[in-house]
Amino acid sequence: AQSVTQLGSHVSVSEGALVLLRCNYSSSVPPYLFWYVQYPNQGLQLLLKYTSAATLVKGINGFEAEFKKSETSFHLTKPSAHMSDAAEYFCAVRAADSNYQLIWGAGTKLIIKP
Amino acid sequence: AAGVIQSPRHLIKEKRETATLKCYPIPRHDTVYWYQQGPGQDPQFLISFYEKMQSDKGSIPDRFSAQQFSDYHSELNMSSLELGDSALYFCASSPGTSAYNEQFFGPGTRLTVL
Repeated sequence: AQSVTQLGSHVSVSEGALVLLRCNYSSSVPPYLFWYVQYPNQGLQLLLKYTSAATLVKGINGFEAEFKKSETSFHLTKPSAHMSDAAEYFCAVRAADSNYQLIWGAGTKLIIKP
Repeated sequence: AAGVIQSPRHLIKEKRETATLKCYPIPRHDTVYWYQQGPGQDPQFLISFYEKMQSDKGSIPDRFSAQQFSDYHSELNMSSLELGDSALYFCASSPGTSAYNEQFFGPGTRLTVL
């Protein structure tokens, strides 16, 4: 069975600083991993996904994530935070033992300080 | 580009009432997923459909039922509503059920049970 752990329910960074949101996964099969962003009172939007091609995945809004099998991690980064990045970020793994429903992490709320 | 449409966007019901949530997938998407997101929680998978057949079932209560129609839209029927059913209900669609297919999310229906 697959699972996802996101470290830190809240992460606070200053505008212009590096953003690092941590995600570790557990999977008995090669995983498909996703990062979604949810702005207040809005739906979930895909930031990027890893599907066993390149280990460094670039997404929208300047975000990227690196798949590290040895560390079972898929951390999300952005070199310079912008006020508009304030949102909740969810890491998810695609279940391999059913109809590929998404299994979600608990989410990390990103707070940007001016 | 067309997105996933959910209606209504907001719904207020009283305990023991029924509610019907509708989801219209992106054109040519044949797979629909339903998720429930409680306040401050990560989305929980409820049920999915592929080509109008139920393909997987998650933590959907017996009081809930769902179906996918010939035009691929889906409806989530909720009966004997309880206070704990208050949540954001997301529908997502994808073109098929392959693990690497992205799920596109609708804006959600916010259900409040009084």
